Amino acid sequence: ETGVTQSPTHLIKTRGQQVTLRCSSQSGHNTVSWYQQALGQGPQFIFQYYREEENGRGNFPPRFSGLQFPNYSSELNVNALELDDSALYLCASSLGSLAGGYEQYFGPGTRLTVT
Amino acid sequence: GEDVEQSLFLSVREGDSSVINCTYTDSSSTYLYWYKQEPGAGLQLLTYIFSNMDMKQDQRLTVLLNKKDKHLSLRIADTQTGDSAIYFCAEIFNAGNNRKLIWGLGTSLAVNP
Repeated sequence: ETGVTQSPTHLIKTRGQQVTLRCSSQSGHNTVSWYQQALGQGPQFIFQYYREEENGRGNFPPRFSGLQFPNYSSELNVNALELDDSALYLCASSLGSLAGGYEQYFGPGTRLTVT
Repeated sequence: GEDVEQSLFLSVREGDSSVINCTYTDSSSTYLYWYKQEPGAGLQLLTYIFSNMDMKQDQRLTVLLNKKDKHLSLRIADTQTGDSAIYFCAEIFNAGNNRKLIWGLGTSLAVNP
């Protein structure tokens, strides 16, 4: 059974650019959540996708958007990057949505640096 | 508002019990979680408690939930050096049809031999 994988592991972008981060769910999982974790902080919930539909959203502006594909893999897109977007971006997959309290399995994260 | 608060640091001696505390804001939270994050490793779910429970025990871990005070605690019995990590408390925050998982800042547990 393959765990949650994320790509790339590290990324450096310039302010104003756009970035796409990718996540492959654990086999059999239909739900993906994305988090932003700044250094020394707890994870901040960006959004969750359940069966290709956005199922919950945190306090992030619209320039943070996502997609979930029929195979339940997912992308996080961030437009007009700002310096404060520098963080570890975590993806987690689960067997069901937040409402069901399903355990989330986390990937290793993508470290994004915006200069 | 949405806020989960935890003390930032805890230091214990090996073999002692550790108690990590958390306060949350949403009285309608259905699930509350404890996660562990070790340096260079991913987040790992340690345990969770459903809101209709007061206590849950899982081997060395005991979770206590006080819904009146919106207080959650994690007790680790016989703490070992391998328990040194950051522990996050998280709650499901319900805002109408929008659910979010809100996390605390994490408690850094140092276990001294």
